[in-house]
Amino acid sequence: SQKIEQNSEALNIQEGKTATLTCNYTNYSPAYLQWYRQDPGRGPVFLLLIRENEKEKRKERLKVTFDTTLKQSLFHITASQPADSATYLCALGWGYQKVTFGTGTKLQVIP
Amino acid sequence: DAGITQSPRYKITETGRQVTLMCHQTWSHSYMFWYRQDLGHGLRLIYYSAAADITDKGEVPDGYVVSRSKTENFPLTLESATRSQTSVYFCASSESERVWELFFGEGSRLTVL
Repeated sequence: SQKIEQNSEALNIQEGKTATLTCNYTNYSPAYLQWYRQDPGRGPVFLLLIRENEKEKRKERLKVTFDTTLKQSLFHITASQPADSATYLCALGWGYQKVTFGTGTKLQVIP
Repeated sequence: DAGITQSPRYKITETGRQVTLMCHQTWSHSYMFWYRQDLGHGLRLIYYSAAADITDKGEVPDGYVVSRSKTENFPLTLESATRSQTSVYFCASSESERVWELFFGEGSRLTVL
């Protein structure tokens, strides 16, 4: 069966360190992968998209890698700050309507 | 820049009642979506719409009805609410079929007693 796995346990990290979140999937061949941020009581906010033919994408302190052989994406936040504390969702897509979300990983950045 | 707004933000209803969740976007995006978010399941697509008067089922459509008479509005109706429909509902939009970024509303938290 198809499955997207993100760390269900919260990730605690010291301020200033690099946070690395993992998204693994099975039985999917996505055309692209997205990462969203979600704060408590709020809707998800788009962060980055990476296509199947791209290995890495960067945006300011964020970096996403996409390994279609390993079926894995890594999401890095460098120089993490307490304001980065949130739940981060991974989403796999094949077109505008075929998007499947993971359950998210809660990141806590400790001052 | 209002973006995408949902109403009501919170709703408590009883089993068997009809409930309508409203979604309005100001960007004139072609595509609109309804998702529900439950613990352990992540976001699941209920219905989507590619344009006014064009709607289609997503992953979990049973018990829900949608309409889209105007591009900017995409209401979601629970015709006879059940306890299993207690959830947080998110409306989202995207610009076109070549732009896959989703813009989400703030959510509507529905409790069915």
